[in-house]
Amino acid sequence: QKEVEQNSGPLSVPEGAIASLNCTYSDRVSQSFFWYRQYSGKSPELIMSIYSNGDKEDGRFTAQLNKASQYVSLLIRDSQPSDSATYLCALRGGSTLGRLYFGRGTQLTVWP
Amino acid sequence: DADVTQTPRNRITKTGKRIMLECSQTKGHDRMYWYRQDPGLGLRLIYYSFDVKDINKGEISDGYSVSRQAQAKFSLSLESAIPNQTALYFCATGRRGAEHSTDTQYFGPGTRLTVL
Repeated sequence: QKEVEQNSGPLSVPEGAIASLNCTYSDRVSQSFFWYRQYSGKSPELIMSIYSNGDKEDGRFTAQLNKASQYVSLLIRDSQPSDSATYLCALRGGSTLGRLYFGRGTQLTVWP
Repeated sequence: DADVTQTPRNRITKTGKRIMLECSQTKGHDRMYWYRQDPGLGLRLIYYSFDVKDINKGEISDGYSVSRQAQAKFSLSLESAIPNQTALYFCATGRRGAEHSTDTQYFGPGTRLTVL
């Protein structure tokens, strides 16, 4: 069983601040990592994916991966109230390439 | 049109009834998945299918069954619904990815099921 742990939250930041979401995992053979955003009552939506160590930037979002320390993080710069959602960390890899393993999510609130 | 559709979107039923949730996709993906989501528990995998003849149980398959009628269709059945199956159910699709691929899963809009 692959364990995926996320900072429990909820996380609350003011508009314009940097929101930092963290995720640790137990399986060293995990290959690819994903961040999904989920608004209340809606389906998860992919916002970032990463499989190489280091940073990957897409607009206001930066994913950071450190396989040696087994963590992946998501930074949201210039946070907006519309970023208020639950963020799910997921991983894929090893002998079960077809499956994703999800963390329980971190709820983020960005207040004006 | 949505790439992954689920029907019904909302359903209220009674204990003991048989319920079928349907999922269709136009993404051309070979892999399909059923999850349920409960508050505080995240997404839990019920069943998954890598192609029409390959169906696998997930972590919480008891009380559920599935049918992969075609590459594009994957149905979830609750043979005899019980109240603790009240949840939000998601279908997802994906394709076979290489070892370092970022191919991932894409979710349908969800079905909110209430069992009284």
